[in-house]
Amino acid sequence: EPEVTQTPSHQVTQMGQEVILRCVPISNHLYFYWYRQILGQKVEFLVSFYNNEISEKSEIFDDQFSVERPDGSNFTLKIRSTKLEDSAMYFCASSEGTGTYEQYFGPGTRLTVT
Amino acid sequence: SQQGEEDPQALSIQEGENATMNCSYKTSINNLQWYRQNSGRGLVHLILIRSNEREKHSGRLRVTLDTSKKSSSLLITASRAADTASYFCATDYVMGNDMRFGAGTRLTVKP
Repeated sequence: EPEVTQTPSHQVTQMGQEVILRCVPISNHLYFYWYRQILGQKVEFLVSFYNNEISEKSEIFDDQFSVERPDGSNFTLKIRSTKLEDSAMYFCASSEGTGTYEQYFGPGTRLTVT
Repeated sequence: SQQGEEDPQALSIQEGENATMNCSYKTSINNLQWYRQNSGRGLVHLILIRSNEREKHSGRLRVTLDTSKKSSSLLITASRAADTASYFCATDYVMGNDMRFGAGTRLTVKP
């Protein structure tokens, strides 16, 4: 069964460094998403992406964040200058459409900012 | 806040018992989805129920949706120790292109 994959599974970085989290969505899906989950807290929506542009973003997704689909398969989340509070699990998801379509989640990348 | 909210926050039962978790939300939705998350791991999709559906089954899972009360419930029948996980409802709102998650219910099934 097709699945969303994410790399790396764990990323450790120093405060102020840039990180890029990578995701490979399911191949026939058109909508892509990033979520994060701070340890012990709820899953929070960051951004959705369709047709090579951001379709919606939350208040968390500030200028430090950016997303890109650099080729036909990868979907990336970049954090320009990491802060301690960016430490979280970051989940990528994809779906065929919106409204009545399921979002399929990747296994997540654990980002630790020291 | 427009997130789904689950209750209870934590639930501990014996193997074989049924577990019921509830979710409430605030505005009109396209669908509501339930996910499971084992500790520190990814989210696994369980069931999607559309706004025009009232009940859905999948194996030992039963989900109901009451749009008049803006609430949903997830019932796991004949629970097993392997069902131990956190369960989240996520709502796909009509006026948005994102999903909002609740804080989850942590279910512990004791063998």
